[in-house]
Amino acid sequence: DQQVKQNSPSLSVQEGRISILNCDYTNSMFDYFLWYKKYPAEGPTFLISISSIKDKNEDGRFTVFLNKSAKHLSLHIVPSQPGDSAVYFCAASAMNNFNKFYFGSGTKLNVKP
Amino acid sequence: NAGVTQTPKFQVLKTGQSMTLQCAQDMNHNSMYWYRQDPGMGLRLIYYSASEGTTDKGEVPNGYNVSRLNKREFSLRLESAAPSQTSVYFCASRSLLAGASPIYNEQFFGPGTRLTVL
Repeated sequence: DQQVKQNSPSLSVQEGRISILNCDYTNSMFDYFLWYKKYPAEGPTFLISISSIKDKNEDGRFTVFLNKSAKHLSLHIVPSQPGDSAVYFCAASAMNNFNKFYFGSGTKLNVKP
Repeated sequence: NAGVTQTPKFQVLKTGQSMTLQCAQDMNHNSMYWYRQDPGMGLRLIYYSASEGTTDKGEVPNGYNVSRLNKREFSLRLESAAPSQTSVYFCASRSLLAGASPIYNEQFFGPGTRLTVL
């Protein structure tokens, strides 16, 4: 049973607009969350993270929001650029075993010029 | 600084054959990981090595063995390959800064090995 879920397999957005990628989790012990970006034929690369003591973390065009009560996080990309077209994975881990990361199934983002 | 390297990039095996996937990192990281990625499943942890000399099972360890050869290298072995092991395999490494509560750092991934078992 997947503990981290990304229910939208794909998302298409116009260049310059906002992209919102969503992620839900079931394990209330998770306290650290990350987003990775993956291009075809490459390994995932780290994008941004957030710990459970925060509800928002921002890095340039990328902002991650965490809603612990809803067990939901989202990644906002503003403005979206064609180079952002990739598969985005969210991942989570818990303090009691911070070596185990659980990944969602990914959302493929297409940013149209 | 090559980061995380994996060999081979592609491999085709017949059912029952064995092979070892190699992974090396040059970032002096303590921890190393092996994942597999299957369509619609995301990445699933097979085994990890928190530090040199230790290995532990992840979510899907059956059918695999690992060796942490030294701090740099972490190999994944399939003793008797099965079609269900057709997947893309990713190695990752990570440096943990430990203190009163560990500070989490991200994992760095290799480019992957695409394995097909016929």
